[in-house]
Amino acid sequence: SAVISQKPSRDICQRGTSLTIQCQVDSQVTMMFWYRQQPGQSLTLIATANQGSEATYESGFVIDKFPISRPNLTFSTLTVSNMSPEDSSIYLCSVERGVKTEAFFGQGTRLTVV
Amino acid sequence: GQNIDQPTEMTATEGAIVQINCTYQTSGFNGLFWYQQHAGEAPTFLSYNVLDGLEEKGRFSSFLSRSKGYSYLLLKELQMKDSASYLCAVGNQAGTALIFGKGTTLSVSS
Repeated sequence: SAVISQKPSRDICQRGTSLTIQCQVDSQVTMMFWYRQQPGQSLTLIATANQGSEATYESGFVIDKFPISRPNLTFSTLTVSNMSPEDSSIYLCSVERGVKTEAFFGQGTRLTVV
Repeated sequence: GQNIDQPTEMTATEGAIVQINCTYQTSGFNGLFWYQQHAGEAPTFLSYNVLDGLEEKGRFSSFLSRSKGYSYLLLKELQMKDSASYLCAVGNQAGTALIFGKGTTLSVSS
């Protein structure tokens, strides 16, 4: 199993500012995933982050808006840039699963943009 | 394309049994997962099916039919604390992120 520490757990931010979310894993993993969960919705994958290469973004998400860093095999950050109220969501990091195991999630970051 | 369907809402009473269905169409298949999510919290793992059949774990069971692209989560002896959102997710291929359905909000009343 993997233990994932994500911070901050919540924040209230002014529109136009940026917030960086950190995700720390207690073991080395090749791939980390960032999801967004808008109010009342399910999880939508933003991007996949591999160590040593640029993140791969899903349709509808771009690097300028959601830059991701992956400096080593246990850490990643997601920045939500130039925020607007539409960015108010829960952001979750997750790590790749092994064979026959579930995906593990961080505790989530509840972001409110005012 | 990828598509995972499950009912939006369900209601049930304490002590009852409820079945939450999930149908999926994905380009690959490497396992089907059920997660429980209480409001404001991260999803927590409930079950995993990769072969056809029923997996039982206490009050919760999950069934899979790969030929039909169909799964269900069965919750027995419902308790108030089971009120939550239940997410069906499919692993497309090894090493990739899970694809989630929109979730089913279950409300358990006394």
